[in-house]
Amino acid sequence: EAGVVQSPRYKIIEKKQPVAFWCNPISGHNTLYWYLQNLGQGPELLIRYENEEAVDDSQLPKDRFSAERLKGVDSTLKIQPAELGDSAVYLCASSLGSWTGNEQFFGPGTRLTVL
Amino acid sequence: GDSVTQMEGPVTLSEEAFLTINCTYTATGYPSLFWYVQYPGEGLQLLLKATKADDKGSNKGFEATYRKETTSFHLEKGSVQVSDSAVYFCALSDLGNQFYFGTGTSLTVIP
Repeated sequence: EAGVVQSPRYKIIEKKQPVAFWCNPISGHNTLYWYLQNLGQGPELLIRYENEEAVDDSQLPKDRFSAERLKGVDSTLKIQPAELGDSAVYLCASSLGSWTGNEQFFGPGTRLTVL
Repeated sequence: GDSVTQMEGPVTLSEEAFLTINCTYTATGYPSLFWYVQYPGEGLQLLLKATKADDKGSNKGFEATYRKETTSFHLEKGSVQVSDSAVYFCALSDLGNQFYFGTGTSLTVIP
């Protein structure tokens, strides 16, 4: 079974440029998460989807970040414009449902560097 | 709000040494507790979990027991190997299915 797929793995851009990250969750997983992970820190939730609905986006900086999950499968996270402080690893995860004991499966992440 | 506090690293041990990584949590209700591991260059993967008080999660020689009275979920392994070198994250999932992660503990095992 394929795991969570993310692309690109690495991205280097100049500040004020736009950038987009793509995530394909495990087949059948209706819950999808985007996390931000700074160096030496644990993941911090940006947004959670149940199917195509964003059920928790309280930590998403909506002035520059946006996300979508068309048809409840793949998801895209966008930053426009990027700032120096956005340099981090962006993680996508998926799980079968919203029971608290459900395991989250993580992708390898996209490492973003903003110059 | 809910949170997880775990032992700061880095931790360096010799092969076959005993490992303990402390984790305590703050939560309302009855969260599920997890340990995730991140090997160099890879994504996080579940190591073990416990979904109710007094449950013991175990995998690959690692164990952790859900202690409600001390709000703890300490990770232990009796004899570490070089291949256990990684970053370990304690996490909880609350009633709203929100996940909270600790800051991670880096473990290096030397031969």
